Amino acid sequence: NAGVTQTPKFQVLKTGQSMTLQCAQDMNHEYMSWYRQDPGMGLRLIHYSVGAGITDQGEVPNGYNVSRSTTEDFPLRLLSAAPSQTSVYFCASSSSIRGTDTQYFGPGTRLTVL
Amino acid sequence: SQQGEEDPQALSIQEGENATMNCSYKTSINNLQWYRQNSGRGLVHLILIRSNEREKHSGRLRVTLDTSKKSSSLLITASRAADTASYFCATDVRFGNEKLTFGTGTRLTIIP
Repeated sequence: NAGVTQTPKFQVLKTGQSMTLQCAQDMNHEYMSWYRQDPGMGLRLIHYSVGAGITDQGEVPNGYNVSRSTTEDFPLRLLSAAPSQTSVYFCASSSSIRGTDTQYFGPGTRLTVL
Repeated sequence: SQQGEEDPQALSIQEGENATMNCSYKTSINNLQWYRQNSGRGLVHLILIRSNEREKHSGRLRVTLDTSKKSSSLLITASRAADTASYFCATDVRFGNEKLTFGTGTRLTIIP
């Protein structure tokens, strides 16, 4: 199993550009989520999904869109990039949303917005 | 705001010593998990402790939970250079929507 994969690993954008961060998992997990990690801030939840066709907002959703058309994929879209979105982005998946379930993380995407 | 706050923010110890880091949280929880993050990598799950448990062990890891103080500690015994990483606690709020909320992390450096 590849686990959770993310592409790209690194990306540089100019302000106002759009892009999609890809996330895929091969563990048949229902719950998938996107976090951003900033120095001194820990991980903050952006959006999450409890199954195909179901998404919801997390703590910091502004400026990001998600969709979940399949169990495997959960892309994160930046519609108009801003320097404040410079961060490291992690995708995670788990069997369910329950706090007893282990979350499996991808390797991350380091995004710089100029 | 963060549900969990780790303390200290950074810790450096000699190889072979024990490392202790703490996590405090604000509201009652159902479960608490600890994760490790090596530099430039994603987080990896270490251990889960439920609100009705007081202590759990896994190899060189010992986790305690004090719900009255809303705090948890992670002890790594006989530290190794490979333990150099950031450590995060994650909690789910009782009577909340069950999602895990991560703390700000403790950066542990093991000096060979």
